[in-house]
Amino acid sequence: GESVGLHLPTLSVQEGDNSIINCAYSNSASDYFIWYKQESGKGPQFIIDIRSNMDKRQGQRVTVLLNKTVKHLSLQIAATQPGDSAVYFCAERITGNKLTFGGGTRVLVKP
Amino acid sequence: EAGVAQSPRYKIIEKRQSVAFWCNPISGHATLYWYQQILGQGPKLLIQFQNNGVVDDSQLPKDRFSAERLKGVDSTLKIQPAKLEDSAVYLCASSPRPGQGGSWELFFGEGSRLTVL
Repeated sequence: GESVGLHLPTLSVQEGDNSIINCAYSNSASDYFIWYKQESGKGPQFIIDIRSNMDKRQGQRVTVLLNKTVKHLSLQIAATQPGDSAVYFCAERITGNKLTFGGGTRVLVKP
Repeated sequence: EAGVAQSPRYKIIEKRQSVAFWCNPISGHATLYWYQQILGQGPKLLIQFQNNGVVDDSQLPKDRFSAERLKGVDSTLKIQPAKLEDSAVYLCASSPRPGQGGSWELFFGEGSRLTVL
């Protein structure tokens, strides 16, 4: 398959360990923050979102943390699996259901 | 449920030629988006449709890019004439909500990869 990015920051993690991916955002008016996963040759796939009035939200094996004071968003993946290898993008939603994406982080899971 | 369909998956053209991409959104989704994703970067919104009307095309290079969604369902994105810097993946997405609250998730297609030589 094709690579979605050759010059992205890369996080290498051992299978079974936890992963933490970080993102800084810029727009204080964003009402939702979202994490997407993009596998090689595919479109982005929604993972989890968090509303701007929350600071934590949990899903299945994933947790998103939002720190509005420093405009920081993180995605924690518990017990990382080989299938988690992908590029992860944070995005912020502004008015009109318009998403602005960040630059992405590649996660490589080592067996 | 069928996902967002895009074609062609791959296209190679020479600069100054034209190209068109087609998107069929998820049935019933009112909002359709075209994003451009250059290698190594996050997707960038080109144009957003609500039914057959344009909501936002502020980042669409209108001197060479055009898009339409005539019947509020399928959409086409055209580039004429293409430049080297247009080499990218063109992603189509659709959403079931017009942005009025509640779940608003965007569903992406697999993209159309354009190489301009």
